[in-house]
Amino acid sequence: EVQLVESGGGLVQPGGSLRLSCAASGFTFSSYAMTWVRQAPGEGLEWVSRISDSGGSTYYADSVKGRFTISRDNSKNTLFLQMNSLRAEDTAVYYCAKSGAPLGSGRRSFDYWGQGTQVTVSS
Amino acid sequence: QSALTQPASVSGSPGQSITISCTGTSSDVGGYNYVSWYQQHPGKAPKLMIYDVSNRPSGVSNRFSGSKSGNTASLTISGLQAEDEADYYCSSYTSSGLFVFGTGTKVTVL
Repeated sequence: EVQLVESGGGLVQPGGSLRLSCAASGFTFSSYAMTWVRQAPGEGLEWVSRISDSGGSTYYADSVKGRFTISRDNSKNTLFLQMNSLRAEDTAVYYCAKSGAPLGSGRRSFDYWGQGTQVTVSS
Repeated sequence: QSALTQPASVSGSPGQSITISCTGTSSDVGGYNYVSWYQQHPGKAPKLMIYDVSNRPSGVSNRFSGSKSGNTASLTISGLQAEDEADYYCSSYTSSGLFVFGTGTKVTVL
């Protein structure tokens, strides 16, 4: 059974930092690209960042580029999101999501999601 | 990266069919067959319902179907049931190698 468990969220002051983790199990983690998606209170989904299966390629939304860094440790089946220079508008539930396929059909979708971790940026 | 445009709300009676649109540009929806749809119940994580425009993952009811014409993708729910009441989001791969979600649609079963 595929499981994704996020952790590391919490309350942080504007300008502060947090590191989110996503522990994966139930699939060959190193074969799949992984993604972070966030959802502000009462708002829709926002794509944040993606990392290739090897970790060699990373992609960011303009809203977080230069402040957030995505990474992964395939030996520990764990995905990370380092968030620096946090702003009030970064307040959201952060989800990690698995790509639907390693290659071919489905690879540009997100077939399993974690339960999310809450990040609140406030003084 | 502008969000894809979806209607804020769609409603229907049990047994009816409804369609949710998702409008983008030639740089996202119109340029690739990489549109997916997600269902989200309150307080829950999103669930993949359709991938690559019209493919259903294993376990998803065949009452859900997807299509695309030009820069607009659509999700149709036939035989509407009470359990279908949820928020629905489309997503598309983009020419920048990034992804974008739709604004979201609240489906109400009357």
